[in-house]
Amino acid sequence: GQNIDQPTEMTATEGAIVQINCTYQTSGFNGLFWYQQHAGEAPTFLSYNVLDGLEEKGRFSSFLSRSKGYSYLLLKELQMKDSASYLCAEMDSNYQLIWGAGTKLIIKP
Amino acid sequence: GAVVSQHPSWVICKSGTSVKIECRSLDFQATTMFWYRQFPKQSLMLMATSNEGSKATYEQGVEKDKFLINHASLTLSTLTVTSAHPEDSSFYICSARGLAGGPDNYEQYFGPGTRLTVT
Repeated sequence: GQNIDQPTEMTATEGAIVQINCTYQTSGFNGLFWYQQHAGEAPTFLSYNVLDGLEEKGRFSSFLSRSKGYSYLLLKELQMKDSASYLCAEMDSNYQLIWGAGTKLIIKP
Repeated sequence: GAVVSQHPSWVICKSGTSVKIECRSLDFQATTMFWYRQFPKQSLMLMATSNEGSKATYEQGVEKDKFLINHASLTLSTLTVTSAHPEDSSFYICSARGLAGGPDNYEQYFGPGTRLTVT
């Protein structure tokens, strides 16, 4: 089956680092996406991983382990504007995105 | 990055009427467009996938006669909610994907969404 799991909510402090985990189970895999979604807005693309390892983009990094069915999104130097939901999505064998329920990240001063 | 527009951004309609939502890819050809629905505090729910020039593929539980999708060109897809009811009130988001040719081409570009309220 296809099941995307990520924590429902996380809280972190401005300036700190937070890691949002995502696990998936699927028989077909064509990559793992992370999207950011602010309340009332559409998702915006953050990252795409298809090979194992860490991809760094400024303050955001994404990691993938295909053998473990595991990914994480790492946010450094947190800013208040990073308060949003972070959606993990796996691309299946039909190139369709299977979405997780999202992790609501709350940043406190 | 590629830009996808949606119109209208919000709409209020009376129960029993129909509403059309447009999704346009502004600077690329979208061979595939996706329509999603999102209720408050819930994840995106894929409603249907449409390829240009062919009939849309609807997800299980989505009524194709109620949610009419037309993808007549490589830059435009429309979703018509027919005989709308209050329970159809939701945030409708489209996304578009270009020609497959590599990892970056599988990215879905999202429109800004349309908030539908049925009274």
